[in-house]
Amino acid sequence: QVQLQESGPGLVKSSQTLSLTCSVSGDSISSGNYYWSWMRQPPGKGLECIGHIYYTGSSYFNPSLKSRVDMSVDTSSNRFSLRLFSVTAADTAVYYCARGGPGTMIFDSWGQGTLVTVSS
Amino acid sequence: EVVMTQSPATLSVSPGERATLSCRASQGISSGLAWYQHKPGQVPRLVMSGASTRATGIPARFSGSGSGTDFTLTISSLQSEDFAVYFCQQFNSWPLTFGGGTKVEIK
Repeated sequence: QVQLQESGPGLVKSSQTLSLTCSVSGDSISSGNYYWSWMRQPPGKGLECIGHIYYTGSSYFNPSLKSRVDMSVDTSSNRFSLRLFSVTAADTAVYYCARGGPGTMIFDSWGQGTLVTVSS
Repeated sequence: EVVMTQSPATLSVSPGERATLSCRASQGISSGLAWYQHKPGQVPRLVMSGASTRATGIPARFSGSGSGTDFTLTISSLQSEDFAVYFCQQFNSWPLTFGGGTKVEIK
């Protein structure tokens, strides 16, 4: 059974970079069967798709965040990462990593989520 | 982008009763809709894919319908383990978007 686990600082200062990593167990990122995604949910709001990355490194980012987002994948450690630059209070959210099927981006496995608070 | 709107925001239902949840897309998405269940402290769980296909391990009391812009998730007889937040997601076009969620609570 695949499991995903987010890790990273829970507190980031405004204007700095938010960095999170998702560790995957029970599946190999390099199998090429799935996309590896990041979502977030600000307090009291709905989920927002940040983007996804394939094992080759090809990626897609939500246009609303594209100028501030980067993702990377490390197949040797079976992890993928998110970086969000120049954060503001509006980036305070629970961040989730998830596994999405190719072709149809349906997320069949999710991490628990990690709260990241942006402070001034 | 496609805006997904869920209603109601909260649904109060007694155990054993039927729950009907709605998800509406701002433009047609064919059958490109998934439903998820999220309980506090747990990971979100895929319930329905392709609008009407139950995910692995999901009991038959869950059913989905709809295409185009209007979709419904029905839980025919609510069990205690079904009380949770349900949210929909369209995967017909980029960026992927989610509804705001419906909380199904015990009446």
